[in-house]
Amino acid sequence: KAGVTQTPRYLIKTRGQQVTLSCSPISGHRSVSWYQQTPGQGLQFLFEYFSETQRNKGNFPGRFSGRQFSNSRSEMNVSTLELGDSALYLCASSLMGTGPNSPLHFGNGTRLTVT
Amino acid sequence: QKEVEQNSGPLSVPEGAIASLNCTYSDRGSQSFFWYRQYSGKSPELIMSIYSNGDKEDGRFTAQLNKASQYVSLLIRDSQPSDSATYLCAVNIGDMRFGAGTRLTVKP
Repeated sequence: KAGVTQTPRYLIKTRGQQVTLSCSPISGHRSVSWYQQTPGQGLQFLFEYFSETQRNKGNFPGRFSGRQFSNSRSEMNVSTLELGDSALYLCASSLMGTGPNSPLHFGNGTRLTVT
Repeated sequence: QKEVEQNSGPLSVPEGAIASLNCTYSDRGSQSFFWYRQYSGKSPELIMSIYSNGDKEDGRFTAQLNKASQYVSLLIRDSQPSDSATYLCAVNIGDMRFGAGTRLTVKP
């Protein structure tokens, strides 16, 4: 069974631009969560989608948004990029959402650099 | 208070020793707990999950949960250099929250 696939793997953008990241979950998984990972802050929760609905949202500004399609694939968008948005963005899928007994399976991440 | 707290380390142990990693969490309603391992430049991978008080063993790994003390730990027996990585504690509070991770180095 294929794992979680994230594209692109690397991205370089300029301040003020916007970016869209893509995530394809493990087949059959209906929940997709997004995390930002930086050396100083660790893994920070962005949001979780389940059956095309945003179920949970972390403490990030509105510049960060996402969506999930009917095939469970998800996209994350960051508008008006800032230098501080440079990070590894990780997508994780789970079978039934982040309820009990439902671990996350991570993709390889997208490394975003904002210059 | 952070939702999930871990000692950032680094923790260094000799090969063959027991490595002990600790984690505390703030939400008393948390029901499920996970340990992930992350090698440098890689994404986190699941090592163990635990849902009930007590110990859960899987090979060289033992997870321990004490809900009264809001404490989760991971023991790695017979540590190997290949165990050198950052270990992340994760707690399900409705969504999954992670600690900052403990960097473990196992010296040959």
